[in-house]
Amino acid sequence: AQSVTQLDSQVPVFEEAPVELRCNYSSSVSVYLFWYVQYPNQGLQLLLKYLSGSTLVKGINGFEAEFNKSQTSFHLRKPSVHISDTAEYFCAVSENTGNQFYFGTGTSLTVIP
Amino acid sequence: DTAVSQTPKYLVTQMGNDKSIKCEQNLGHDTMYWYKQDSKKFLKIMFSYNNKELIINETVPNRFSPKSPDKAHLNLHINSLELGDSAVYFCASSSFYNEQFFGPGTRLTVL
Repeated sequence: AQSVTQLDSQVPVFEEAPVELRCNYSSSVSVYLFWYVQYPNQGLQLLLKYLSGSTLVKGINGFEAEFNKSQTSFHLRKPSVHISDTAEYFCAVSENTGNQFYFGTGTSLTVIP
Repeated sequence: DTAVSQTPKYLVTQMGNDKSIKCEQNLGHDTMYWYKQDSKKFLKIMFSYNNKELIINETVPNRFSPKSPDKAHLNLHINSLELGDSAVYFCASSSFYNEQFFGPGTRLTVL
C-alpha cells in the first residue's frame, strides 16, 4: 500500500507571494499523481494530474507541479497566490494497477492580505 | 449537468436513527467510492464498487452498508447512528486512471 505524506499541515503566505506545497509518496512502482483543492464548505476538485510524459504539469488557476521519480515527490507550486487560493489542498496517488486511491492528510493554505 | 450528485446535502438526526445517503453519477464510470471526511479534513476511503461489485471494504463498522443497484448509483445506509458518525461523506466515481470525480458532499450531524 502507498503512503502519501504532506509534511506541512498549515501554510500561511502573503498575497502575491510564491508558495510550494510538498507531497511525497512511498512506492517506487508506476503511479499516477494528483492534486485536489477543496474550498471552504465545498467538494474536492482536480487541480492537476500527472499520468505520463513531461514531469512538469500545469493545472488550473496558475498552479503547477513537478514529478520527481527519484525523490518520489510531487510538489505543488504557484508563483503568486491570491486571496481566493485559500483552501485545503490534497495530494493523491494511484498505482497503475487496481482501484486504490491514496490521499495525503491535506495542507491548509491561508493567503494573508 | 451535474457529474456526481448526492442527496441530501445536509442531514441532521438523533443518535440511534437509521439514515441513507444517495449518490448518482452520469459520467459512465464503472467504479464508485464512499469517503468520510472528519473535522480535521482527513479523507478516509470507506467502500468502493466496480460495476455493482464490492471491491474495497475498509475497516468500517458494519452499521454502514453500501448498496449499488446499478453502476451509476451507490447509496450508503447507516444504522444506529452514533455521535462519532458526524462528518462529511463524499461520493466519488473514477475514470481509467482512478482519477476521482467527487460529489458535493453530505454533511451529517448526529445529535
